[in-house]
Amino acid sequence: QQKVQQSPESLSVPEGGMASLNCTSSDRNFQYFWWYRQHSGEGPKALMSIFSDGDKKEGRFTAHLNKASLHVSLHIRDSQPSDSALYFCAASDGTNAYKVIFGKGTHLHVLP
Amino acid sequence: NSKVIQTPRYLVKGQGQKAKMRCIPEKGHPVVFWYQQNKNNEFKFLINFQNQEVLQQIDMTEKRFSAECPSNSPCSLEIQSSEAGDSALYLCASSLREGTGQLYFGEGSKLTVL
Repeated sequence: QQKVQQSPESLSVPEGGMASLNCTSSDRNFQYFWWYRQHSGEGPKALMSIFSDGDKKEGRFTAHLNKASLHVSLHIRDSQPSDSALYFCAASDGTNAYKVIFGKGTHLHVLP
Repeated sequence: NSKVIQTPRYLVKGQGQKAKMRCIPEKGHPVVFWYQQNKNNEFKFLINFQNQEVLQQIDMTEKRFSAECPSNSPCSLEIQSSEAGDSALYLCASSLREGTGQLYFGEGSKLTVL
């Protein structure tokens, strides 16, 4: 059973538009959430984290966490072609086993 | 540029052959992970280490895969007898001992089993 589910699988937005990615966890033990970005041919890179309820903004990127509903989202404002990549939601329960579970990813295509 | 160094970037093996990949974690990171990313981009956790000790591993890893992180040497992941289903991108990641889930990934080793 997938414990971290992402939607949509694929998303196309025009350059300058807003991209919204969603992630839902089925495990209430998860305390820490991350968004990772993976460009083609590269390894994933941590984009931003969110650990508390509410919004967290970093430049054009805003993450939102609602622990009650186990829902995390990522919003990219003023999307650029360089934002085209795979975006993964990841969750950790912070135990000593350092278990980090990844979703299946969202393909983001920013159209020039 | 990634500070987690994985080699080789690509390897091609026949079925039944051994395949070995290496990883140098970021300096000062005691925790090392290995993930398998399949052609659908799904991550499968294989094993993780804290320093030289295994923290946890999945059943598949116990049977055909072997991994180690010796002190003062690169970590390694070896598939004893490669199968077609092992074709994937093998990602090594390292992290600090804080458990929040921030992982630093290498570029990966892409294995193709013919």
